[in-house]
Amino acid sequence: AQSVAQPEDQVNVAEGNPLTVKCTYSVSGNPYLFWYVQYPNRGLQFLLKYITGDNLVKGSYGFEAEFNKSQTSFHLKKPSALVSDSALYFCAVRDLEGLYNFNKFYFGSGTKLNVKP
Amino acid sequence: NAGVTQTPKFQVLKTGQSMTLQCAQDMNHEYMSWYRQDPGMGLRLIHYSVGAGITDQGEVPNGYNVSRSTTEDFPLRLLSAAPSQTSVYFCASSYSGVWETQYFGPGTRLLVL
Repeated sequence: AQSVAQPEDQVNVAEGNPLTVKCTYSVSGNPYLFWYVQYPNRGLQFLLKYITGDNLVKGSYGFEAEFNKSQTSFHLKKPSALVSDSALYFCAVRDLEGLYNFNKFYFGSGTKLNVKP
Repeated sequence: NAGVTQTPKFQVLKTGQSMTLQCAQDMNHEYMSWYRQDPGMGLRLIHYSVGAGITDQGEVPNGYNVSRSTTEDFPLRLLSAAPSQTSVYFCASSYSGVWETQYFGPGTRLLVL
C-alpha cells in the first residue's frame, strides 16, 4: 500500500532562518507527491507537486521541495521563513486504487510549523 | 470561479439526528471526494466519486452515504449521527489524471453531542 510519513509533529524555526519539513514515502510505482498547507480554520491549499523531471520542485509562497528517490523522501524547504508561514503542512502521495481506479490521496499526519519572530 | 464550496460551516447535532453536508464545485471536475480530519490523523477518505452516478467507499465509510446526480454536487449524508463523527469534514475535487491537483473546500466543523 502507498503511504507517506511525516516524522515530526512540530517544527520550530526563527524568522529568517531556513526551514525544512520532512516527508518520506512508500509507493510501488512512480510517486506522485504533493504538499499542501492548512491555515487555521481553513481548507487545504496546494503548494507544489512532483510528477517527474527535476528533483527540485518550486511552488507557491517561495516554498520548494527536494525529491530524493534513493532516500524515498520529499522534504519541503524554504530558504528564509516568515511568521506568516506558521501553519499545518501535509505531504500526500497519489495513486490508483479502488473499484474505479480512483486517484486516491494518501495524506501524512501533518506537521505544525511554528515560525517565531 | 467559486471553486469548491461547502455548507454549512459549522453544525451541532444531537446523537441520532441526521443531516446532509453540501459540497459543490464549478470547475467541471470529474473526481470529488469527502474527507474527515481528526487531530494527529491527517485526512481520511470517507467516500469518493469518479463521475455523476458513480461512487465508492473510502477508508472510513460507515455511517455516511453519498450520491452524485450531477457533476457539480456531491452531498454527504449522516444517517444517524454519533459522537464519533465529531470532526472537520472537507470536500475536494479534481480532474481525473493522477498528476492532477486536488482542490479543497473550506470545511464543515461538526459537533455531535
